[in-house]
Formats: sequence, structure tokens, C-alpha cells
Amino acid sequence: KAGVTQTPRYLIKTRGQQVTLSCSPISGHRSVSWYQQTPGQGLQFLFEYFSETQRNKGNFPGRFSGRQFSNSRSEMNVSTLELGDSALYLCASRLTSGSTDTQYFGPGTRLTVL
Amino acid sequence: GQNIDQPTEMTATEGAIVQINCTYQTSGFNGLFWYQQHAGEAPTFLSYNVLDGLEEKGRFSSFLSRSKGYSYLLLKELQMKDSASYLCAVSRDDKIIFGKGTRLHILP
Repeated sequence: KAGVTQTPRYLIKTRGQQVTLSCSPISGHRSVSWYQQTPGQGLQFLFEYFSETQRNKGNFPGRFSGRQFSNSRSEMNVSTLELGDSALYLCASRLTSGSTDTQYFGPGTRLTVL
Repeated sequence: GQNIDQPTEMTATEGAIVQINCTYQTSGFNGLFWYQQHAGEAPTFLSYNVLDGLEEKGRFSSFLSRSKGYSYLLLKELQMKDSASYLCAVSRDDKIIFGKGTRLHILP
């Protein structure tokens, strides 16, 4: 079974631009979460999508948005980029069944904002 | 990370045993994850505990006490490749929230 894939792997943008990141979860997983990881703050939860609906949201400004398609693929968009948005953006694919819960991460997209 | 506490750094010797502790707020708690993350890579799933007790997976074991809001990850027969950050994460109200991680250094 293929793992979680994310594209692109690396991205360089300038302040004020916008960016769209893509994530394809493991086949059969309907939940996709997005995280931002920086050296100072660790892994910060952005949002989670389940069956095309945003199920949970973290404490990020409205410049960060996402969506999920009917095939469970998800995209994350960041508008009006700021220098502080430079980070590793990780997508995670989650499957919950009874008392079992597993969440696997993709390789991440490293975003640099200049 | 919403009161998920784990030590920032630990050092251990190759071949030894190390225990990484994690404490968390118990309100809304569903279960607890442990992840391993090597520098420059994505986190890798190690374990998920929902019931009290110890679960063993090869050299790695994870323990949970729901009433005490406490978990630990036990690594035995340490190898140099175990040098990594270990992340404790809590599933709470359908969200998975991460601690800041414990950076483990292994000395030869």
C-alpha cells in the first residue's frame, strides 16, 4: 500500500505571495490533517479534514485554509505569505477503527519565504 | 503544546535502556501516540495506547496510565540509529496535539 505523498517537496516563495500544497493520503484513509513544524514551536496542528469537511481547526490565522476532495486528497493554501511562515508543512493520514488509531505522516513540504 | 510535557533532551549510551516520560492533561483524553523523528525527516509512527498498561513492540515499549495522565516510551538495547527526537502526542476530542519532543542523544 502506498504511503502518504506530498507535493511539492520544496518551495521557495517571497513575502505576499500565496502557495498551495497537496497531500494524498493512504488509500482507504478518509482523514487528513495538516501540521506546521518549526524549530521553536514544534508540531502545530493546523486543521483536519474528514469526508470533505473540516472537522477540527487549530489556532492559525485565516490566511491558512484547506480543503479535501471526494477522493480524500487534500490541499492547503497559505495566502499573503510572511517570513514566519517558513516551515516544514506535514500532512498526516489517519484511520480510526474501534480502539485503534493510527496516523501516518507524509514526507512534508519545506516552504521557505524570502 | 496544550500541557503535554516531556523532557527537552536526554543522553544515553549505546546498548543501554532509556525511558522518555510524557505527562498530559486528562480532560477529553482518547489515546496517546509516540512518534520518532530523525533530523530533516517526517515523524514515524511508533505506538498508540488507549488502555492502561505496557505494550511491547520489539526494542520499544510504551506505557500508559490514564488516571495519572502519564506515559513513557522505553527503548532497550539502544543503537546509534535511535538518535532522534521522540514526540508524545495526545488524541483529545478528535484532535491530535503534539508535545515539543525529546531529543535523544546516543553516545558510543
